[in-house]
Amino acid sequence: NAGVTQTPKFQVLKTGQSMTLQCAQDMNHNSMYWYRQDPGMGLRLIYYSASEGTTDKGEVPNGYNVSRLNKREFSLRLESAAPSQTSVYFCASSEGTATRPQHFGDGTRLSIL
Amino acid sequence: QQQVKQSPQSLIVQKGGISIINCAYENTAFDYFPWYQQFPGKGPALLIAIRPDVSEKKEGRFTISFNKSAKQFSLHIMDSQPGDSATYFCAASRSGGYQKVTFGIGTKLQVIP
Repeated sequence: NAGVTQTPKFQVLKTGQSMTLQCAQDMNHNSMYWYRQDPGMGLRLIYYSASEGTTDKGEVPNGYNVSRLNKREFSLRLESAAPSQTSVYFCASSEGTATRPQHFGDGTRLSIL
Repeated sequence: QQQVKQSPQSLIVQKGGISIINCAYENTAFDYFPWYQQFPGKGPALLIAIRPDVSEKKEGRFTISFNKSAKQFSLHIMDSQPGDSATYFCAASRSGGYQKVTFGIGTKLQVIP
């Protein structure tokens, strides 16, 4: 029962580098989300996908792009990493198409120097 | 503007005691109030949720109390155990279609023996 799987778990980047965070869920959920978690800020929605083939911006989308590759996979890309993007990134999924995450992955801890 | 205000930010409770975490919201259109539990190194997990048509919801040792007129809701953990030590997030959203979840900043609970 894997649930939501995120890779990698840790990553250190230099400013300006690019990388893609991977997320996959095995629950046949329709909706998937990317959040970032920063101290004193709670969780903030970056992008979400209500169904395969659709993506929409959340509250902090700048500097990120996403791809809903298929129903299982939802990736987050940083094209040119900045120190302000140092954070813990969580992927989540939910059965329906509303933006209420039910299951979260264990996160990717990303540091940008 | 913080739409969901959560307090306290940290809480230490003795084993067997009652842990109380409070949240207040501003948007009267919110009608779904979930709580998430997050253990260190893990993603948040949906713990319990309430809608404003009831004033209290109980699941095991966890109880949500809701005061619609005061726009406040709280999580009570009865007979707190060391295994309850985690960060708890309250949240709020509107139902129907796309409505993002707004999270509080989190409360780090430590239950000491």
